[in-house]
Amino acid sequence: EIVLTQSPGTLSLSPGERATLSCRASQRVSSSYLSWYQQKPGQAPRLFIYGASNRATGTPDRFSGSGSGTEFTLTINSLEPDDFAVYYCQHYTSSAYSFGQGTKLEI
Amino acid sequence: QVQLQESGPGLMKPSQTLSLTCTVSGGSIKSYSDWWSWIRQPAGKGLEWIGLIYASGNTNYNPSLKSRVTISVDTSRNQLSLKLSSVTAADTAIYYCARSMVRGMDVWGKGTTVTVSS
Repeated sequence: EIVLTQSPGTLSLSPGERATLSCRASQRVSSSYLSWYQQKPGQAPRLFIYGASNRATGTPDRFSGSGSGTEFTLTINSLEPDDFAVYYCQHYTSSAYSFGQGTKLEI
Repeated sequence: QVQLQESGPGLMKPSQTLSLTCTVSGGSIKSYSDWWSWIRQPAGKGLEWIGLIYASGNTNYNPSLKSRVTISVDTSRNQLSLKLSSVTAADTAIYYCARSMVRGMDVWGKGTTVTVSS
């Protein structure tokens, strides 16, 4: 079973700053199957990044994903108020999904 | 545009079997390019994948829940369902259905809250 560990648990930043969120896998994974989601209070998660670096439809271009192997990063440039939320990484393999525990991005 | 809507009992007692339905609109649940997952989220906590079903009817479940979970599809109603047996307070959560693929889950329902309490 692949375990995804996200860090930090909480990230406190201000609008205009850059956010860097990390997702570490317990073993090497395919970047093709690594995704990032944004979740706001009271809402379902929303797919933001797929294939480690591809923006989903509607994802602003200030969001970027990178990484390979066991280390993946979600970077948000010039934070806007709407970006403050919880972010989850997810991996798919062998007909199963796993989620990281989430990073809360707060003002 | 595909939309998903979960429905369920809301409140349950321990040891009962949870039954949830996810109604798919704007597309066919029989699409061979689509899979369908159930995911849950206890209040204030993270996401837990429960299991998935392919258009073929084949399923795969989270090993931690496998002994209690059944996911099925009713193509005549364009619905998928989740059954979770012997529920306890630990099963209290928001339950989501989502369209799934290797690149992730791109369409989610709004979720339905299930509370297990005596």
